[in-house]
Amino acid sequence: KNEVEQSPQNLTAQEGEFITINCSYSVGISALHWLQQHPGGGIVSLFMLSSGKKKHGRLIATINIQEKHSSLHITASHPRDSAVYICAVRSGGGGATNKLIFGTGTLLAVQP
Amino acid sequence: DSGVTQTPKHLITATGQRVTLRCSPRSGDLSVYWYQQSLDQGLQFLIQYYNGEERAKGNILERFSAQQFPDLHSELNLSSLELGDSALYFCASSATRTGTQYFGPGTRLLVL
Repeated sequence: KNEVEQSPQNLTAQEGEFITINCSYSVGISALHWLQQHPGGGIVSLFMLSSGKKKHGRLIATINIQEKHSSLHITASHPRDSAVYICAVRSGGGGATNKLIFGTGTLLAVQP
Repeated sequence: DSGVTQTPKHLITATGQRVTLRCSPRSGDLSVYWYQQSLDQGLQFLIQYYNGEERAKGNILERFSAQQFPDLHSELNLSSLELGDSALYFCASSATRTGTQYFGPGTRLLVL
């Protein structure tokens, strides 16, 4: 079983829909990252969070440390949001390491 | 543009050969990370350097080695290459040992 699980693996949405991608992890973490990988391969860091909720534009990320679960929400989705979204957790005690363990990613396609 | 540069962008080589991948971090970032992304394994952490010293090691093969130089650029050396080493190799950097990571565009390695 992977230490970081994402669901769904694939997601197709219509433009304007509200989208949720889920991430569950089984290890102790000091932070969780959401990354976006475009079709060309480039990776962009969207959020790094260790508690609560963060918002950036149409993107919202939440984390529940007790339940070992995080969600990434996209409001008013647009075709340019089409990408692979990857959840990654930073294991170990804070400050000791920044080793990331990655989920397998969620391929999102937003159709016009 | 993340500010992290990687060279070369593409590399085609033969089994048994040795290659060097280069990464220049964002200006001022002290930490450099190397990741491998293959079709069957997904994204995997290889190694982290902070201000010239190795900080964390992941699933890095003994045939692979890395270093961070005094000017903070880093090189990943891959030797005795095998077909299975074909992958995208990403470098990332962060200002601190545990901060948000900024990814380079990657080097696509094809071993024939």
